[in-house]
Amino acid sequence: SAVISQKPSRDICQRGTSLTIQCQVDSQVTMMFWYRQQPGQSLTLIATANQGSEATYESGFVIDKFPISRPNLTFSTLTVSNMSPEDSSIYLCSVGQGMRTEAFFGQGTRLTVV
Amino acid sequence: DQQVKQNSPSLSVQEGRISILNCDYTNSMFDYFLWYKKYPAEGPTFLISISSIKDKNEDGRFTVFLNKSAKHLSLHIVPSQPGDSAVYFCAAYDSGTYKYIFGTGTRLKVLA
Repeated sequence: SAVISQKPSRDICQRGTSLTIQCQVDSQVTMMFWYRQQPGQSLTLIATANQGSEATYESGFVIDKFPISRPNLTFSTLTVSNMSPEDSSIYLCSVGQGMRTEAFFGQGTRLTVV
Repeated sequence: DQQVKQNSPSLSVQEGRISILNCDYTNSMFDYFLWYKKYPAEGPTFLISISSIKDKNEDGRFTVFLNKSAKHLSLHIVPSQPGDSAVYFCAAYDSGTYKYIFGTGTRLKVLA
């Protein structure tokens, strides 16, 4: 299994500002995923981040709003830009090795935009 | 379009009894299924998985059953314990896209 450290664990931000969430893994992993979980909802995939290539975004999510960096095989960041109250959610970093194995999650970042 | 569905948002079970959580999916190309448990303020924790070539996988108190013809899987917890109280997510792995698709979750409450 992989140990994933995600920070911050929570934050309260003013609308119009940006927040960068960091995800650090204790081992090299091929695939990193960023999810959003809105209150009472499922985990929705924002994007897949592979090292050395641009992140691949899911429908409804764009790079200008959620820029992602993946500088190496153990680290990634997700930025939530120009925040509005609708961005209040839990953001989760996840890692997987592909090939039909389980994905592991960080503890999540609870974001509240006021 | 929700490809993975958990139609029961909540379930209450007495301690010691069996908990059965259900999940339906629509994409027959999914070939690997997983269950995760999530406590408040924590990330989801992997619980158990099953390959589409199997119909049952067991790990201690947890058993997952897969019915491919019905596109249905279920998680059985027996005996249920108060510490099992959490939200359980069903997930499907799409080996074509390398993505995990999650259901909406079922909140299990085990009553002491």
